Amino acid sequence: AQSVTQLGSHVSVSEGALVLLRCNYSSSVPPYLFWYVQYPNQGLQLLLKYTTGATLVKGINGFEAEFKKSETSFHLTKPSAHMSDAAEYFCAVRGGGGADGLTFGKGTHLIIQP
Amino acid sequence: EAGVTQFPSHSVIEKGQTVTLRCDPISGHDNLYWYRRVMGKEIKFLLHFVKESKQDESGMPNNRFLAERTGGTYSTLKVQPAELEDSGVYFCASSQLGLSDTGELFFGEGSRLTVL
Repeated sequence: AQSVTQLGSHVSVSEGALVLLRCNYSSSVPPYLFWYVQYPNQGLQLLLKYTTGATLVKGINGFEAEFKKSETSFHLTKPSAHMSDAAEYFCAVRGGGGADGLTFGKGTHLIIQP
Repeated sequence: EAGVTQFPSHSVIEKGQTVTLRCDPISGHDNLYWYRRVMGKEIKFLLHFVKESKQDESGMPNNRFLAERTGGTYSTLKVQPAELEDSGVYFCASSQLGLSDTGELFFGEGSRLTVL
């Protein structure tokens, strides 16, 4: 069975600082991994995804994530936080519902301090 | 191209009443999913349609929930009668059947249900 653990329900960083949101997964098959973002009053938007190939994947808005099989991790990073990055971020792994369904973590609120 | 649209964006009802949520997927997307997020918890899978057929409804909480997808286009999720624990945000997502099989889902903005 698939599961996702996001460490920290809230993460606060200063504007311009490094953003690091942690995600660990459990999957019985080679994982497809996703990060989604939800801005206030909006739907879930795909930030980036890992399916196969290069383990460092780049997404929108300067975010990237690295798939580390040995650590079963898929942490999300951004070198320099911007105020507009304030949102809730969800890590997900394919599987757990429907043919292409996703299993989500609990989400992490990213707070940007001026 | 229009994205996934959901209606209503917010619904407040009394316990015991009925609510129907609607989802219009992206045109041409055969896969349609319903998810729910109860406050403070994970976004959880409810069910999956391929066209008009239910492929997996293992996440439906109980028989007070009924989902339909007539003609394989839009879908409705009815809660009858609603209970307090049904409060949450209901998300709909769609994807194109068989397209590269990467598993990317396109989500709507969600319908927030509050049961008083």
